[in-house]
Amino acid sequence: EIVLTQSPATLSLSPGERATLSCRASQSVSSYLAWYQQKGGQAPRLLIYDASTRATGIPARFSGSGSGTDFTLTISSLEPEDFAVYFCQQRSTWPLTFGGGTKVEIK
Amino acid sequence: QVQLVQSGAEMRNPGSSVKVSCKVSRTTFSSYTIHWVRQAPGQGLEWMGRTIPMFRAPIYAQKFQGRITITADESRTTVYMEVTTLRSEDTAVYYCAGGDYFDYWGQGSLVTVSS
Repeated sequence: EIVLTQSPATLSLSPGERATLSCRASQSVSSYLAWYQQKGGQAPRLLIYDASTRATGIPARFSGSGSGTDFTLTISSLEPEDFAVYFCQQRSTWPLTFGGGTKVEIK
Repeated sequence: QVQLVQSGAEMRNPGSSVKVSCKVSRTTFSSYTIHWVRQAPGQGLEWMGRTIPMFRAPIYAQKFQGRITITADESRTTVYMEVTTLRSEDTAVYYCAGGDYFDYWGQGSLVTVSS
């Protein structure tokens, strides 16, 4: 199965700062990669799919890039509501797999 | 807009089974992909399997093969997942999610396995 490794595990930043999250795949997933945001006690929410396409209603401060094995989620300027856990996920190959998550916390 | 509404929390003894439901509000239920994903307390997300009701051919993660069954009732626009031979490690929130990616999510169903 394809293993997705996210880094860093925790990112401590202040509101207004830029966040850069990484997701690396153990083999190519082409552009079949998504990013999700999860806040405590809630279901995840789709942010980005096909590596760089924002889902409906997602603010422009969220952007995704990459292809093959290396992907990045960027939050250009953190808002208070952006502090959460972020997961990447691939749908290139069965079984579908998720990364372990990056927690973005308030510094 | 798609809504997924799941059944409530369940408590089971080890070795028993549980069946969780996911009511799908969408005009084209039969062709819609529904996945099941679980999240153990404090842990990450784990994909378990998926179905497209019209094809009646679910795909399961190998880890769960033989222990889970995903079915769909088109008359009720509801998808079910049954997990058998429960163990304490199956304690988790079980989510259904719809779409090629997980575009829409149910609210989650907590399953607690404990004697």
